[in-house]
Amino acid sequence: DTEVTQTPKHLVMGMTNKKSLKCEQHMGHRAMYWYKQKAKKPPELMFVYSYEKLSINESVPSRFSPECPNSSLLNLHLHALQPEDSALYLCASSRQGIGDTQYFGPGTRLTVL
Amino acid sequence: AQSVTQPDIHITVSEGASLELRCNYSYGATPYLFWYVQSPGQGLQLLLKYFSGDTLVQGIKGFEAEFKRSQSSFNLRKPSVHWSDAAEYFCAVGAGRGSTLGRLYFGRGTQLTVWP
Repeated sequence: DTEVTQTPKHLVMGMTNKKSLKCEQHMGHRAMYWYKQKAKKPPELMFVYSYEKLSINESVPSRFSPECPNSSLLNLHLHALQPEDSALYLCASSRQGIGDTQYFGPGTRLTVL
Repeated sequence: AQSVTQPDIHITVSEGASLELRCNYSYGATPYLFWYVQSPGQGLQLLLKYFSGDTLVQGIKGFEAEFKRSQSSFNLRKPSVHWSDAAEYFCAVGAGRGSTLGRLYFGRGTQLTVWP
C-alpha cells in the first residue's frame, strides 16, 4: 500500500481565517513533505520533516506553520493567507529521504478569498 | 547545482502512436531519477524510477525510460499511447546528501494531449 491521504480535498477560506490541512500515511515512512503547486507549474517544496523533526524550510512565510505530531501525521496550519496562496497543496512521504521514492497524496485545493 | 530540463511544454499524439518525452538533468553524482504523472486536480503518481543497475527501467501503464549517463538524459517512452494517458508528466531528480536531503528537483512538466 502506497497511499497518502489528505483532508480536506477542497478548502475555501478568507484572509482572516485559521485553517489546517492534514496529511496521513501508514507506510512507516519517516520523511514527510509539503509542496505547493500552482496551475501549469511543477510542485514547489515548502517543508520537509525527517523523523518528526523539521529538516528543510524553504523560506516559507510564517503564515504557513507545519506540524508533525507523530510519524504518520503531518499538518499545515494556515493563518492570514493571501489570495496568491491559492494553489494545490500536496503532501508526500518517503522511507527516510535519501534518494527514496516520494509518494504523493491527492492534494488539497485551497482558495483564499 | 541540480536541475531538470523538459524541453517540450506540450506534445500532441494520436491514440495508438508511440510516445517519447524528453528529460535532461544536471547533477554532480549518481542521480536518482523519477517520472511522475499528474491528471488535472490530482496528486502525482509515480510511473517509474531509476536508482542504479539496468539502464532501461520498466514502469506502470506500459511506460519505460532509459537512463543515458553520457547524454544526461532519462527519456520516457511508450510504444502505443491510450487516450487515458493524456496528463501532465514530470521528470525529477532526487538529491541524496547533506542539506539537500530528501529534495526532489522537478522539470517544468510536459502536457500530453492524445487525439482519438
